[in-house]
Amino acid sequence: ETGVTQTPRHLVMGMTNKKSLKCEQHLGHNAMYWYKQSAKKPLELMFVYSLEERVENNSVPSRFSPECPNSSHLFLHLHTLQPEDSALYLCASSQDLGTGVIPLHFGNGTRLTVT
Amino acid sequence: AQSVTQLDSHVSVSEGTPVLLRCNYSSSYSPSLFWYVQHPNKGLQLLLKYTSAATLVKGINGFEAEFKKSETSFHLTKPSAHMSDAAEYFCVVSDRSGTYKYIFGTGTRLKVLA
Repeated sequence: ETGVTQTPRHLVMGMTNKKSLKCEQHLGHNAMYWYKQSAKKPLELMFVYSLEERVENNSVPSRFSPECPNSSHLFLHLHTLQPEDSALYLCASSQDLGTGVIPLHFGNGTRLTVT
Repeated sequence: AQSVTQLDSHVSVSEGTPVLLRCNYSSSYSPSLFWYVQHPNKGLQLLLKYTSAATLVKGINGFEAEFKKSETSFHLTKPSAHMSDAAEYFCVVSDRSGTYKYIFGTGTRLKVLA
């Protein structure tokens, strides 16, 4: 399997639930990202990890909790979400971090609906 | 500071006619520029990138873009649209000062009419 894989593809959860999104990259990259894609808004960067170390937490509410156990895996733990958190959550990876010339490789996303 | 503006939220073309998707950028540093495409229920796929080499950049599926510094533009073109080109297209700017921050445009939805 190649590329960036995200599971699940779809998730419906109540506001009191706890769930996790998973991302796995098979590209040998050192950096991984979580983005939020909402309708009619630009992609919002949430978190960035480089070699398993978090380098960016873009003012994301604490109800979103990332975890990067190794350079191939990235999780987003969710708890007590709000309806406005419903969106497509995209995971991406890049070879390295910090030069701005390296393209991002995206997974197909998890469509999250909070009821 | 950087920003990117996609001038059209929707573009419709007939199959076989040229495609033009417009993007203007602002950057305090020498920018890197990218175009991504997103098909329904899919992630973003890189079409092409400009990183200070040739100003005319060729990408996948017959797309190309030209970096015009004087106009701060990076428009995406294709000579002949195909039905499979119907998707959403994103212009992205990043500076090369050491940041990892990619600024995404709001997207242009391309519709291809039979």
